[in-house]
Amino acid sequence: GDSVTQMEGPVTLSEEAFLTINCTYTATGYPSLFWYVQYPGEGLQLLLKATKADDKGSNKGFEATYRKETTSFHLEKGSVQVSDSAVYFCALGGTGANSKLTFGKGITLSVRP
Amino acid sequence: DTAVSQTPKYLVTQMGNDKSIKCEQNLGHDTMYWYKQDSKKFLKIMFSYNNKELIINETVPNRFSPKSPDKAHLNLHINSLELGDSAVYFCASSQDRDRPSYTFGSGTRLTVV
Repeated sequence: GDSVTQMEGPVTLSEEAFLTINCTYTATGYPSLFWYVQYPGEGLQLLLKATKADDKGSNKGFEATYRKETTSFHLEKGSVQVSDSAVYFCALGGTGANSKLTFGKGITLSVRP
Repeated sequence: DTAVSQTPKYLVTQMGNDKSIKCEQNLGHDTMYWYKQDSKKFLKIMFSYNNKELIINETVPNRFSPKSPDKAHLNLHINSLELGDSAVYFCASSQDRDRPSYTFGSGTRLTVV
């Protein structure tokens, strides 16, 4: 079945450091790929998405490129801020009415001033 | 505001009780979901409904019963609550199309004591 693997966490960075969070997936067909963010005490927010190979999703300085050849969707940001501290989830979505989101385990990012 | 709204936000109850969580979406979406987030932040789908019809029913105890009175509402009723049911429950919705996006509610934190 479909699955998503995220790098192990937690990750602690200093402000303005470069961020990479790895995500790889296994799926039948051509899924859509997502990054969701969960700030402390809050719900899930869509950060960015990509629906086909070579698409780049971007939002709030974060980027991720759908790499079909490596089945990856790594999240990057050039300069993190303290306000980026949150849990980040990589997810893949199916197609059609019976689709669902399959999540990775999530990774906690802490950014220190 | 267009959104997915859940009530209550927090729910503390004793073992053995029966409780319900309500979810409503005003996005005009056709499919609604319940996800469970455990203490390690892992998110797993429980159920999905498309136009009031049950589509996905993962391995969930029979004590959990979803009910969809119309396509804008998906409630979750839990009988005979157990300590292990303590978690955050997220409702979500998506539009019927080939590559849908998913919108999440803010979650209900259930604590069974």
